[in-house]
Amino acid sequence: DIVMTQSPDSLAVSLGERATINCKASQSVLYSSNNKNYVAWYQQKPGQPPKLLIYWASTRESGVPDRFSGSGSGTDFTLTISSLQAEDVAVYFCHQYFSFPHTFGLGTKVEI
Amino acid sequence: QVQLEQSGAEVKKPGSSVRVSCKASGGTLSSHAFTWVRQAPGQGLEWMGGIIPIYGTANYAQKFQGRLTMTADESTSTTYMELSSLTSEDTAVYYCAKYVRTTLYDAFDIWGQGTLVTVSS
Repeated sequence: DIVMTQSPDSLAVSLGERATINCKASQSVLYSSNNKNYVAWYQQKPGQPPKLLIYWASTRESGVPDRFSGSGSGTDFTLTISSLQAEDVAVYFCHQYFSFPHTFGLGTKVEI
Repeated sequence: QVQLEQSGAEVKKPGSSVRVSCKASGGTLSSHAFTWVRQAPGQGLEWMGGIIPIYGTANYAQKFQGRLTMTADESTSTTYMELSSLTSEDTAVYYCAKYVRTTLYDAFDIWGQGTLVTVSS
């Protein structure tokens, strides 16, 4: 199974400041045939299901604010919130869908 | 826009089975692929498997092989997840979700509200 190691476990960021979350895959999730990285990022608030933010490592889901961005390739990926807003307080998960079983990072709790 | 509505909370005895339903509105099952993901209290997300109703194919995580069954009923636009031989470790919120495309190699863009399954004697 591909292990997705997220860091940090939690971080506190001031309003308007940048938040950076990292995710490292135990093996490459880049598919050479289409040059796509099979990684997604989700936001989960208490009592709610996860919400898709980013897929293909860097493609923003429709309706997601452009302060959220994804980057990286191969085994190392980053989710960046460029200017943290109060409504961004949540837990963030990375997800690899390159191979079965799909696996998730353990989550990063973002606080103000 | 597809929306997913799951069945209500369940309390089960150890050794029994549970079936959770996920009804799709605003679209047909045949256009999509679906997954089930669970989340134990205060824990992370765990992928259980996926199903593509139009192809009648399903893929289960090896951890659940032999006790997990995913099915779909096109006539009611409902998918089902049945888990047997329950133990306390199966206590979790179970989510159904839709894959972005009709493939099991994709992210999940629409989620149900979740169904709490509690396994307790």
